[in-house]
Amino acid sequence: KAGVTQTPRYLIKTRGQQVTLSCSPISGHRSVSWYQQTPGQGLQFLFEYFSETQRNKGNFPGRFSGRQFSNSRSEMNVSTLELGDSALYLCASSRPTSGHNEQFFGPGTRLTVL
Amino acid sequence: QKEVEQNSGPLSVPEGAIASLNCTYSDRGSQSFFWYRQYSGKSPELIMFIYSNGDKEDGRFTAQLNKASQYVSLLIRDSQPSDSATYLCAVSNMEYGNKLVFGAGTILRVKS
Repeated sequence: KAGVTQTPRYLIKTRGQQVTLSCSPISGHRSVSWYQQTPGQGLQFLFEYFSETQRNKGNFPGRFSGRQFSNSRSEMNVSTLELGDSALYLCASSRPTSGHNEQFFGPGTRLTVL
Repeated sequence: QKEVEQNSGPLSVPEGAIASLNCTYSDRGSQSFFWYRQYSGKSPELIMFIYSNGDKEDGRFTAQLNKASQYVSLLIRDSQPSDSATYLCAVSNMEYGNKLVFGAGTILRVKS
């Protein structure tokens, strides 16, 4: 079974630009969550999408947004990039049941903002 | 107060020894507890999950959960140099969907 895939793997942008990252979950998984990982703040939750609806959102500014398509693939967008947005962006998928849901991470997109 | 706390380490153990990693959490409503392993430059890999009080064993790994003390631990038996990585504790409260709250991670070094 193929794992979570993310594209692109690496990205270099300049301040003020915007960026779109893509995530394809494991087949059959309908929940996609996004996380930001930085050396200073660690892994922080951005948002979760399930059945094309944002189910939960972390404490990030409105410049960070996302969406999910009917095939469960998800994209996240960051507008007006700042230097502090440089990070590893990780997506994780899970197969929601009525209870606990293990999440599996993709390889991540390394974003560098110059 | 951080929501999930881990000793940052590094924790150094000799090859073949037991490595003990600990984690405390503040949200008493948390129901799901996970351990991820992250090698340098890689993404986190799920290695254990536990939902009920007590011990859960999987190969060389044992997860332990004590909800009353809000404490989770991971034991790695017969530690190998390939176990050297950062171990991330994550907790989830289903009230917030699939949101995982992570600790800062413990660096484990296994010396041969």
